[in-house]
Amino acid sequence: LAKTTQPISMDSYEGQEVNITCSHNNIATNDYITWYQQFPSQGPRFIIQGYKTKVTNEVASLFIPADRKSSTLSLPRVSLSDTAVYYCLVGTQGGSEKLVFGKGTKLTVNP
Amino acid sequence: NAGVTQTPKFQVLKTGQSMTLQCAQDMNHEYMSWYRQDPGMGLRLIHYSVGAGITDQGEVPNGYNVSRSTTEDFPLRLLSAAPSQTSVYFCASRSPANHRDNEQFFGPGTRLTVL
Repeated sequence: LAKTTQPISMDSYEGQEVNITCSHNNIATNDYITWYQQFPSQGPRFIIQGYKTKVTNEVASLFIPADRKSSTLSLPRVSLSDTAVYYCLVGTQGGSEKLVFGKGTKLTVNP
Repeated sequence: NAGVTQTPKFQVLKTGQSMTLQCAQDMNHEYMSWYRQDPGMGLRLIHYSVGAGITDQGEVPNGYNVSRSTTEDFPLRLLSAAPSQTSVYFCASRSPANHRDNEQFFGPGTRLTVL
């Protein structure tokens, strides 16, 4: 399983764009990159998934360079409600129940 | 759809007691998993199931049993509770045929304290 490394914490202010980078040097050819969001006292929630280049949905964008050894989750114009822990996961195509959730990045959005 | 439901929300046990954490989903998902989350930590996989009658161990299976007799239910049994099992337990499900590969749906969690 590819190991991921991401910052322990980040601070931002309302209205700013936040970029959280995840390193996954040992990513395998069939691995997808997935990001989850977790609010206090709640289960994680799927945000976005990608394989290469750029993926965008109504919540975030995911940028993946050609070598796929890292990825960046971009949250546009964050609000206080985006304060949460964000997890980067790398898993095989077809899915794997052995996805590894690291400690994630605790994002704090300040007023 | 109720999604993934877990009961109870809170539980306090004494060392050595046994109990079952319930998990149910109404989305007809084949895959179900149990995770534990300790303070300041990520989630660690305990057991998982890829279908009724099929289960397998995750990263931290010791002290826990599971069975999957129906698609909807995936209970987690603590055989003899220990203080080290104090944690928040999350159940998750997904359907690889219907969703993105690594998209799991999580329940609200059960907060367990073992004294």
